[in-house]
Amino acid sequence: GAGVSQTPSNKVTEKGKYVELRCDPISGHTALYWYRQSLGQGPEFLIYFQGTGAADDSGLPNDRFFAVRPEGSVSTLKIQRTERGDSAVYLCASSSTGRDTGELFFGEGSRLTVL
Amino acid sequence: AQKITQTQPGMFVQEKEAVTLDCTYDTSDPSYGLFWYKQPSSGEMIFLIYQGSYDQQNATEGRYSLNFQKARKSANLVISASQLGDSAMYFCAMRDFRGSSASKIIFGSGTRLSIRP
Repeated sequence: GAGVSQTPSNKVTEKGKYVELRCDPISGHTALYWYRQSLGQGPEFLIYFQGTGAADDSGLPNDRFFAVRPEGSVSTLKIQRTERGDSAVYLCASSSTGRDTGELFFGEGSRLTVL
Repeated sequence: AQKITQTQPGMFVQEKEAVTLDCTYDTSDPSYGLFWYKQPSSGEMIFLIYQGSYDQQNATEGRYSLNFQKARKSANLVISASQLGDSAMYFCAMRDFRGSSASKIIFGSGTRLSIRP
């Protein structure tokens, strides 16, 4: 498809388990963003990539969270030793740095539930 | 540091009336961009409108306009002739450029708008 694709759409896991969330951005978009959104709140910035490198990872809450984008396209957000407080919708967005507005195009999100 | 503040957690408006959603921001960067996004109950994030800090005129997109007051650091969204389909969460967001065309975008806490028939 032409939009941002995120998988899985839903993930239920147990406390302490490892989770990977995948994002496939719009083709040609060099900037990729991860956000976390809890119920009734605004998206919370986690990390963004320019190409393959993490340009700003200041939003990652702790060292259990890690993200990669090895070929400058698909990105994976990895969460180790999940905790119940990690439960949220994880949103991925991409943008073309050539556009003046830098508008973000969002995926539909991955809903993570940690039991 | 960047900061976005939306002080209205929820609003109710009669259909066909105009509504203003408030947003104030803080940044030390002279070059920045301001966005508004709509998030219906389905969860998708829909881009509505953009205002650059150096734009001379307020941005408009159909029924949406942005009341940009730079000195007051406010970027309120105005929706004219509201429709039932406008019921959603609305988020104000900001990016500062810091010499790069791509940097992080931060969001406010949102305003839930409900349109009454």
